[in-house]
Amino acid sequence: NAGVTQTPKFQVLKTGQSMTLQCAQDMNHEYMSWYRQDPGMGLRLIHYSVGAGITDQGEVPNGYNVSRSTTEDFPLRLLSAAPSQTSVYFCASSYYGTRGTQYFGPGTRLLVL
Amino acid sequence: QKEVEQDPGPLSVPEGAIVSLNCTYSNSAFQYFMWYRQYSRKGPELLMYTYSSGNKEDGRFTAQVDKSSKYISLFIRDSQPSDSATYLCAMTPTGNQFYFGTGTSLTVIP
Repeated sequence: NAGVTQTPKFQVLKTGQSMTLQCAQDMNHEYMSWYRQDPGMGLRLIHYSVGAGITDQGEVPNGYNVSRSTTEDFPLRLLSAAPSQTSVYFCASSYYGTRGTQYFGPGTRLLVL
Repeated sequence: QKEVEQDPGPLSVPEGAIVSLNCTYSNSAFQYFMWYRQYSRKGPELLMYTYSSGNKEDGRFTAQVDKSSKYISLFIRDSQPSDSATYLCAMTPTGNQFYFGTGTSLTVIP
């Protein structure tokens, strides 16, 4: 099993550009989530999904869109990047019933100029 | 006020020491509590998971939850240089929305 994979590993954007961060898992997990990690702020939940076709907002959803068309994939879209979105982004997944035993991907480092 | 408070450290201990890491929280609805370990430039990995109050032991690691005080702890016995990492506490009321501490940086000196 590859576990949770994320692409790209690193990306530089200009303000106003759009991009999609990819996340995939091969463990048949129902629950998937996106976090951003900033110095002094810890991990903050952006969006999560409890299954295909079902998404909901986390603590810091503004500026980000998600969709979940398959169990395996959960992409995160930045429609108009801002410097405040410079961060490290982590995707995670788990079986829905396990209440917290999440597996994290390796992260995507995003720099918005 | 942040939902979860965690002393960022850094914490530096000699090899073999007992390490105590702590978090406090304000939301009494939290029921599930986790500790993650994160090495530099890597994703967090789950160390311990507990439900409600009590203790849980796994090898050199012990997690404690005191819901009456809204306080959780992670103890590491016989600490090793390979334990050098950032430790994150996390908690959730239902298993949908998770709240993390800012992490404590630990260095174990050989």
